[in-house]
Amino acid sequence: NAGVTQTPKFQVLKTGQSMTLQCAQDMNHEYMSWYRQDPGMGLRLIHYSVGAGITDQGEVPNGYNVSRSTTEDFPLRLLSAAPSQTSVYFCASSPGQLNTGELFFGEGSRLTVL
Amino acid sequence: QKEVEQDPGPLSVPEGAIVSLNCTYSNSAFQYFMWYRQYSRKGPELLMYTYSSGNKEDGRFTAQVDKSSKYISLFIRDSQPSDSATYLCAMTNFNKFYFGSGTKLNVKP
Repeated sequence: NAGVTQTPKFQVLKTGQSMTLQCAQDMNHEYMSWYRQDPGMGLRLIHYSVGAGITDQGEVPNGYNVSRSTTEDFPLRLLSAAPSQTSVYFCASSPGQLNTGELFFGEGSRLTVL
Repeated sequence: QKEVEQDPGPLSVPEGAIVSLNCTYSNSAFQYFMWYRQYSRKGPELLMYTYSSGNKEDGRFTAQVDKSSKYISLFIRDSQPSDSATYLCAMTNFNKFYFGSGTKLNVKP
């Protein structure tokens, strides 16, 4: 099993550009989520999904869109990138819809917005 | 006010020392409490997981939860250089997770 795979690992964008961070898991997990990690702020939840076709907002959803058309994939879209979105992004998944703590994380995607 | 507060460190200890890491939180609805370990440029990995109040031990690691004080701790006994990492506390009441800012630990040989 590859676990949780994130692409790309590194990306540089200009302000106003759009892009999609990809996340795929091969563990048949129902729950998937996106976090951003900034110095001194810890991990903050952006969006999450408890199954295909179901998504919900987390703590910092503004500027990001998600969709969940399959169990395996949970892409994160930046509609119009801003320098404040410079961060390390982590995708995480968990078995079951009722998530009680055991998150499996990807390796992260480092995004710089100029 | 942040949902979860964690001492940022950094914390530097000699090999073999006992390490204490702590977090406080404000939301009394949290039921599940976790400690994640994150090595540099890697994703976090689950270290310990506790439901409600009490203690849980796993080898050199002990997690404590005191819901009355809204305080959780992680103790590492006989610390090793391989324990050098950032430790993140986290808590949830289903589906939405809140993480502390992380404590960077360095264990010197």
